[in-house]
Amino acid sequence: QKEVEQDPGPLSVPEGAIVSLNCTYSNSAFQYFMWYRQYSRKGPELLMYTYSSGNKEDGRFTAQVDKSSKYISLFIRDSQPSDSATYLCAALNAGNNRKLIWGLGTSLAVNP
Amino acid sequence: KAGVTQTPRYLIKTRGQQVTLSCSPISGHRSVSWYQQTPGQGLQFLFEYFSETQRNKGNFPGRFSGRQFSNSRSEMNVSTLELGDSALYLCASSASTTDTQYFGPGTRLTVL
Repeated sequence: QKEVEQDPGPLSVPEGAIVSLNCTYSNSAFQYFMWYRQYSRKGPELLMYTYSSGNKEDGRFTAQVDKSSKYISLFIRDSQPSDSATYLCAALNAGNNRKLIWGLGTSLAVNP
Repeated sequence: KAGVTQTPRYLIKTRGQQVTLSCSPISGHRSVSWYQQTPGQGLQFLFEYFSETQRNKGNFPGRFSGRQFSNSRSEMNVSTLELGDSALYLCASSASTTDTQYFGPGTRLTVL
């Protein structure tokens, strides 16, 4: 079992829809959680960074972490065709031996 | 500020050959991490360098090696290439080992 599980999709939604992307993780030591967006032929870029449980909002994007159920989510409101990309979740433990552990990524297509 | 640059962007090699990939981090960043990305395994951590010292290492065979120079530029080397080494190799830089990572566009390696 991978430490971070993510449904690869693909996910296809109409423009303007609310998108929900989800990951689960198994390691209780993870304390930092990230969402990255990766366009075709580009490297991942950081979208959201959260510490421990709770919500964080940035424009149309909301990241949610529920440590009790080991569940992390990214919500995209009013989705746009420019949001079409692969979204990767990642988790990081604290301490010196830190390693980012990644989900496989979910491919999202927002259709005009 | 210029972003992370990686050279070359594309490489085609044959089995048994070796390859060297290069990464120039964002100016002022001293930490460089390398990842392998494949459709089946996603992003997998290779190693991290900080101030010319390897700080962390993933679970890859010894054929994969790296180094970092005094100007923070980094190289990774793969010897005795195998078909399964075909992947997108991503480099990420950060100001320190605990800061946000910024990714380059990657080097697409194809092993025939």
